[in-house]
This record gives sequence, C-alpha cells and structure tokens, in this order.
Amino acid sequence: DVKVTQSSRYLVKRTGEKVFLECVQDMDHENMFWYRQDPGLGLRLIYFSYDVKMKEKGDIPEGYSVSREKKERFSLILESASTNQTSMYLCASRDRLGTEAFFGQGTRLTVV
Amino acid sequence: QQPVQSPQAVILREGEDAVINCSSSKALYSVHWYRQKHGEAPVFLMILLKGGEQKGHEKISASFNEKKQQSSLYLTASQLSYSGTYFCGTAINTGTASKLTFGTGTRLQVTL
Repeated sequence: DVKVTQSSRYLVKRTGEKVFLECVQDMDHENMFWYRQDPGLGLRLIYFSYDVKMKEKGDIPEGYSVSREKKERFSLILESASTNQTSMYLCASRDRLGTEAFFGQGTRLTVV
Repeated sequence: QQPVQSPQAVILREGEDAVINCSSSKALYSVHWYRQKHGEAPVFLMILLKGGEQKGHEKISASFNEKKQQSSLYLTASQLSYSGTYFCGTAINTGTASKLTFGTGTRLQVTL
C-alpha cells in the first residue's frame, strides 16, 4: 500500500516559534508538494520539489520555506509562526510521469 | 492562479445528478479530479489528458474542453458515499518541473 506520512495530525504552537512539518513518502516519487487547505479557498500550493535539494515556489510561499535533503522526505518550515498560518497542511507526492498524486492525512496546525 | 470551481457547495438527495465545473484562466493541458471525504486525505478519481476527452469512474464521469479551459465532473444517480469535497487540479509545466495546483473546491452532500 502506497503511503505518504505526515509526522503529526495536530500541532499547537505559539506565535513566533519555528515550526517544522515533516512528510515522508515510500513510493520513490520525484515530486513532492505542500498545500494549505482553508474553507472556501480550496488547496493552495505553498512549495513543491522535483528532486533532492530542488524546489520551486508555489502560489503562497510567503512566510514558509522547505527542505528536501533526501528523496523520500520533504519538510515545510515556518520560520516565525503567526496566527494567520493556522490551517490544515497537506503533503502530496507524485511520480515524474505525472499521473495521480498521493496525499498525506494532513496536519492541523493552530498558532496561538 | 487557482482554477475556480462552481458551485461552492451543493446538497442532493440520493439518486439525483450533479455537475461540478472547473475553469482556469491559464491553458489547461491536463485536468485531475480528486475527492476528499471528511477527515480524510484527498483521493484521486481520474485524469483527463486530451481536449474533449471524457472518462468515467463508477457513475462519475468528466469532460475536458481544452479550448474553453474548462472541465466538468458529472455525478449520476448520486449515492451517500459520494459526499465529500471535490477538487479539480491542473498540472502546469514551469520549465523544470510540473506544478500541480488545485481549485477552490466544491462541497457535495448527499442525503436520504
């Protein structure tokens, strides 16, 4: 069974903290993505990576950075968390041939 | 940037039909459809790769009009299990990678 695993289902952090969201896939996919999901706004792409150490900005990269040191792991970093970053974060992976994407269960982050 | 979906939400009785539309301001080369049940990860339904192509999945089918930059998802004789949020996605070639962006989502509720 293919798997995309996000390290936490729920996370509560304080304003100003540095936050790491981790995502691991076991399918040897080249492409990995981070989205945030907010009511009425759908899934918005934050960053994506097409290879180890390679990344591109998505549609809403401000306030976020990413790291991909190994093919199977893609991390989303909030350098200084703010309350407007309270959201559901979803990680996905997809192979180079570009058919379906596989999603993790999501991390609901609350910044207080 | 995101594809726009309509309607935002729809409530159906079991057995009724529904259409969900997805339109983009950018050229579409492929369209993906996903369904997310409450509390779960989005799951791939189908991908349409050519203009005018129609595909089906159970009693769910979709069309893709490349010229109009639109796709529609058709749910026939809806079942309770069809409830969830539906997303269309598009793959945009950035020159180095394939960026997968999603629409604003359509929340579908099927009742008895």
